Amino acid sequence: SQQGEEDPQALSIQEGENATMNCSYKTSINNLQWYRQNSGRGLVHLILIRSNEREKHSGRLRVTLDTSKKSSSLLITASRAADTASYFCAPSNSGYSTLTFGKGTMLLVSP
Amino acid sequence: GAGVSQSPSNKVTEKGKDVELRCDPISGHTALYWYRQRLGQGLEFLIYFQGNSAPDKSGLPSDRFSAERTGESVSTLTIQRTQQEDSAVYLCASSLTGTGSTGNTIYFGEGSWLTVV
Repeated sequence: SQQGEEDPQALSIQEGENATMNCSYKTSINNLQWYRQNSGRGLVHLILIRSNEREKHSGRLRVTLDTSKKSSSLLITASRAADTASYFCAPSNSGYSTLTFGKGTMLLVSP
Repeated sequence: GAGVSQSPSNKVTEKGKDVELRCDPISGHTALYWYRQRLGQGLEFLIYFQGNSAPDKSGLPSDRFSAERTGESVSTLTIQRTQQEDSAVYLCASSLTGTGSTGNTIYFGEGSWLTVV
């Protein structure tokens, strides 16, 4: 499996601001998923974007994918304190059945 | 079941003892994964089961670690002769089939926190 690398490692913002996290990967993909983790608990799936898609929305989440740059970004608009968590990207292709996760971006949203 | 269930949720053990961690995946999910996450670190892939295929054990860190899965149900991760560096949360996850090109969502359990003293 291939691992995505999230950037920045940590991000601190105020409630109401937007948060942008980036993900880079090395080889071609079929799809890329974003997950969220609260305080060392299990990860929760947020959104999936396929290689033929450039942008996808889900509520306050917006994900973009640039396959030419091998990168993706996750934008959380109008952030809330409850968005405080670690965010992970997981690129995948047909050659692999498992997902590998990097160190994630730790987002802190202050009231 | 409704979600992935792991037990115990917390385990404190003495160095050198063996521990068993259990995972009950979502019913009907053929793929099952174990990951390890040390404090403040990312997830390390340990092992992957898919149906009746031979498991992918490429992530197991040493021969002290082993895992079994009975058919498409419960899995047990065993750590023998535990060391302090084994202290971590062990996360189990399942998906309908492997993720690969399908992009199947992986559903995680709440983890088993292991502390080796």
